Parts: sequence; structure tokens; C-alpha cells
Amino acid sequence: AQSVTQPDIHITVSEGASLELRCNYSYGATPYLFWYVQSPGQGLQLLLKYFSGDTLVQGIKGFEAEFKRSQSSFNLRKPSVHWSDAAEYFCAVGTSGNTGKLIFGQGTTLQVKP
Amino acid sequence: DVKVTQSSRYLVKRTGEKVFLECVQDMDHENMFWYRQDPGLGLRLIYFSYDVKMKEKGDIPEGYSVSREKKERFSLILESASTNQTSMYLCASEQGARGYTFGSGTRLTVV
Repeated sequence: AQSVTQPDIHITVSEGASLELRCNYSYGATPYLFWYVQSPGQGLQLLLKYFSGDTLVQGIKGFEAEFKRSQSSFNLRKPSVHWSDAAEYFCAVGTSGNTGKLIFGQGTTLQVKP
Repeated sequence: DVKVTQSSRYLVKRTGEKVFLECVQDMDHENMFWYRQDPGLGLRLIYFSYDVKMKEKGDIPEGYSVSREKKERFSLILESASTNQTSMYLCASEQGARGYTFGSGTRLTVV
């Protein structure tokens, strides 16, 4: 069965420091992969997605993610974190078929220290 | 941009009430989804629909039903609300496996 694991429940980084949020997936075929961000009390916003091709994908707000098939990972990175990046981040994998159903990880809460 | 609108941001209902959560999308998407989000449990799929009048159970359908009479509207129904259904409910739509567009969520409290 497909699954997504975000090993870090909570991460704290200093403003201006680099960030990497980890995501590992389990899926038999080539996955569709997504990162979403959720600000407090809000819905989820799509940061970036990987379908095929270049394994390094760029997203909004200066985020990027790298698909590594050998490691079944899709880690999210940002070179310099801003205080406004404090939020909860969700990794998701798309299943086969045309329903577009996604399976989500449990989320990583990012806290940014001034 | 696709918009997904959930009719209420906050709801307080009594135990045993029938509750309707409404979701409307404006981009003619075929696929629509209802999730609930709870701390430590992430997002769990309740139901989804891939066409008008078509629905499929997700991972936690018990105590819920759905209705999709028109393509743009997907309603979640709590037949008899219970306190363990207190949660954040998120609606999403998508087309062509391009990723979801989410509504802002409805925080439901059952007392």
C-alpha cells in the first residue's frame, strides 16, 4: 500500500538559516509527489509538484524539492528561511488512476526563531 | 485561479444534529474530496467523488455521507453528529492529477 512518512514532527530553525524537510514515500510505480503548506487556521496551499523529468523542482516562495528514486525521497529545501515560513508542511503522493487521490504524510511543523 | 469555497469557517453543532458541510469549486473539476484533519493524525480521506452522483469511500467514511448532485458542489453530511467528529474539515478539487486545490477549511465543534 502507498504511504508517506515525514520523520520530523517539529523543526525549529533560525531566521536566515537553511531548511530541509524530509519526506519518504512507498509506492510501486513512478509517483506524483507534492508539497503543501498550511498556515494556522487555513487550508493547504500547493508549494510544488513533481510528475516526471528534471528531479529538482522549483516552487513558490523560494522552495525547491529533489526527487531521489533510489532513496524514495522527496525532500523540501529552502536556502534562507523567513519568519513568514513558519507553518505546517505536508508531503503527499499521488496514486495511479485518474481520480487524482493523494496520500498525505502527517506533517512537519516549522518554527522560525528570530 | 481555481477557487474552492467552503460555506462556513466555524460551526458549532449539538450531538445528534444532522450537519451539512458545503463545498463549491468554480473550475469544472471532475474530482472532489473531503478530508478531516486532526492533530497528530494528518489528513484522512473521508469520501471522494470523480463525477456527478459518483462517490467512493475513503479511509474513514463511518458516520459520514456525501452528495454530489452538480459538478461544482460536493456536500459532506454528518448524519448524527457526535463529539468525536469535532475536527477541521477540508474540501479539495482537482483535475488531471495536477494536485489539489483546497478550501480554507471548516472547523466543526460538536458539543
